[in-house]
Amino acid sequence: DQQVKQNSPSLSVQEGRISILNCDYTNSMFDYFLWYKKYPAEGPTFLISISSIKDKNEDGRFTVFLNKSAKHLSLHIVPSQPGDSAVYFCAASTKRNSGNTPLVFGKGTRLSVIA
Amino acid sequence: DTEVTQTPKHLVMGMTNKKSLKCEQHMGHRAMYWYKQKAKKPPELMFVYSYEKLSINESVPSRFSPECPNSSLLNLHLHALQPEDSALYLCASSPSGGHTIYFGEGSWLTVV
Repeated sequence: DQQVKQNSPSLSVQEGRISILNCDYTNSMFDYFLWYKKYPAEGPTFLISISSIKDKNEDGRFTVFLNKSAKHLSLHIVPSQPGDSAVYFCAASTKRNSGNTPLVFGKGTRLSVIA
Repeated sequence: DTEVTQTPKHLVMGMTNKKSLKCEQHMGHRAMYWYKQKAKKPPELMFVYSYEKLSINESVPSRFSPECPNSSLLNLHLHALQPEDSALYLCASSPSGGHTIYFGEGSWLTVV
C-alpha cells in the first residue's frame, strides 16, 4: 500500500525551462510534505517543505505547491539547470502526540536537465 | 554541507564478519534514524531512536543491531549478513518535534 506516489520515474527538461515534479498521497492524515534531492552515491539532501496549512512555499528557484483536496503536491524548478539533474523524492509525515511519524517516501523521479 | 557524519563511506565484509557502521551529529537533534536504500528505490526505514531509546524497529532482522550510546552517536552493528543486505545505509537525524530529517552521505555496504 503505497501512501506516497511519484508516478513519473523520469523527466527530461531543457536547461532554462521549468521542471515540474509531481507527487500524490493517499493518507489524509499527512500534514507535512518534503522534497529531497539525491545525487548518485550521496545521501538525500533536504530541498524544501510545506505544511498542510499552506498551499505554496517558495525558496529561490524552487516552489512547492500543495492541493489538499486533490492530495497532490508538485515541485517547480525554474529555471532548470544541469546541476539540478538528480533523483527527487517526495516525502510526507504526520504529527502525533508522541512525535512526528517517520517520513514516508515516494519512489523518486529522475530529473535530467539537458544543456 | 551535511552535519550528519557517517563512517566508513565504503565497507566490504564477508558473511561471517562482524562490523559496525557509525554515525554522529552535533546539531542537538534528539531523534536519529537508520535507513537502507537499494538502487532505484526510496530510502526504507529500519530503526528510529528518540531521546536515545529505540522507538521504532521496522521488523529488521536481528543480524542488524542498532545502538545509541549518547544523543550524538548512533551505531549499526552488523553480523552474519547476506549478500542481499548490500545497500547504501543512511543515518539521519531530526530535531525533537521537527518534521525535517537530515541525512548523512551514507555508508556503502557490500556483503561478499
